[in-house]
Amino acid sequence: QKEVEQDPGPLSVPEGAIVSLNCTYSNSAFQYFMWYRQYSRKGPELLMYTYSSGNKEDGRFTAQVDKSSKYISLFIRDSQPSDSATYLCAMTREKTGTASKLTFGTGTRLQVTL
Amino acid sequence: DTGVSQDPRHKITKRGQNVTFRCDPISEHNRLYWYRQTLGQGPEFLTYFQNEAQLEKSRLLSDRFSAERPKGSFSTLEIQRTEQGDSAMYLCASSLLHNEQFFGPGTRLTVL
Repeated sequence: QKEVEQDPGPLSVPEGAIVSLNCTYSNSAFQYFMWYRQYSRKGPELLMYTYSSGNKEDGRFTAQVDKSSKYISLFIRDSQPSDSATYLCAMTREKTGTASKLTFGTGTRLQVTL
Repeated sequence: DTGVSQDPRHKITKRGQNVTFRCDPISEHNRLYWYRQTLGQGPEFLTYFQNEAQLEKSRLLSDRFSAERPKGSFSTLEIQRTEQGDSAMYLCASSLLHNEQFFGPGTRLTVL
């Protein structure tokens, strides 16, 4: 079993919809949680960075972390065709040191249709 | 340009050849990471530098792989005697504080 599980999709939604993307994890030591967006054949782009449990909002994006359930989510409001990409969750145990390496999910491919 | 840069962007090589990739991190970022990503998967950690010191290597990094970061600036990743299973996207990331890792565009390796 992988440390981080993420549904690979594809997830297809109409323009303007609210998108919910999720990851579950098994290692309770994870404390820092990130969401990256990756367009085809490009490097991952950092969208959201959160520490421990709670919510964080940035524009149309909201990240939620529930450490008790080992479950994180990314919500995208008013989705746009330009949001079509693969969304990767990532997490790490420490800010510094050897435990700062990121552990990623497989990524969820999102398609926003007109 | 203040982002992470990688060179080359694409590399096609024949099995058994050696290849070297370069990563230039964001200026003043003291931490540098290499990851490998295959189709349909998330990136997997390969190795990590803090300044010029290589602090961790993944079990994925066989003896054919070597990475350096002389003077704590740019980094190189070399693969010797390439195999078809080495075909992947090789990603470099750098960070300074708070563990926000910023990725470069990647080097796509195809081994024929």
